[in-house]
Amino acid sequence: DIQMTQSPSSLSASVGDRITITCRASQSISNYLSWYQQKPGKAPKLLIYVASNMHSGVPSRFRGIGSGTDFTLIISNLQPEDFATYYCQQNYRTPITFGGGTKVDIK
Amino acid sequence: EVQLVESGGGLVQPGGSLRLSCAGSGFSFSSYWLSWVRQAPGKGLEWVANINQDRSEKNYLDSVKGRFTVSRDNAENSFFLQMNSLRAEDTAVYYCARGNSPTGYYYGLDVWGQGTTVTVSS
Repeated sequence: DIQMTQSPSSLSASVGDRITITCRASQSISNYLSWYQQKPGKAPKLLIYVASNMHSGVPSRFRGIGSGTDFTLIISNLQPEDFATYYCQQNYRTPITFGGGTKVDIK
Repeated sequence: EVQLVESGGGLVQPGGSLRLSCAGSGFSFSSYWLSWVRQAPGKGLEWVANINQDRSEKNYLDSVKGRFTVSRDNAENSFFLQMNSLRAEDTAVYYCARGNSPTGYYYGLDVWGQGTTVTVSS
């Protein structure tokens, strides 16, 4: 199985900050990497697919980069509604696997 | 409105069975891959299984193989997860989700249900 390692597991930030979350795959997954945002008690929301494509309706302050084994989610100008948990997911091969998550909270 | 709605969760004893359902609406149901994803209390997301449009391909998480079966009824816009031999570690919120593209499961999951809770306990 492909292991997905996300870092950091949590971070504190302020409104207006730029933050980065990284995700590393245990083997190459080409660009078959998605990013999700999840708020407490809610279903996840797709942000980014195939590493850098923004899903419909996602604000442009979200950006995904990377290929192979190393990927990054960048959130610029952090907004109050962005405080949530973020997950990466590899879609290259089944079993599909998620990273452990990164909780972003208010500093 | 494009949506998925799960049902069928509940409390079941270890070793018991449960069948989850997911009803789709607002889109061409038969055109998409569908997945089940679960989340144990306080834990991260875990993909469980998926199925392609014509049911010819089904994939499972190793820990549920032989116990869980995924199926779909395109005529009824419905998607199912039959769970047998349930264990305490299967306790979770179960979400159904749609593949982001008709061409495969490679592009993420773009539509999610609200989740249904399964609790396995004596």
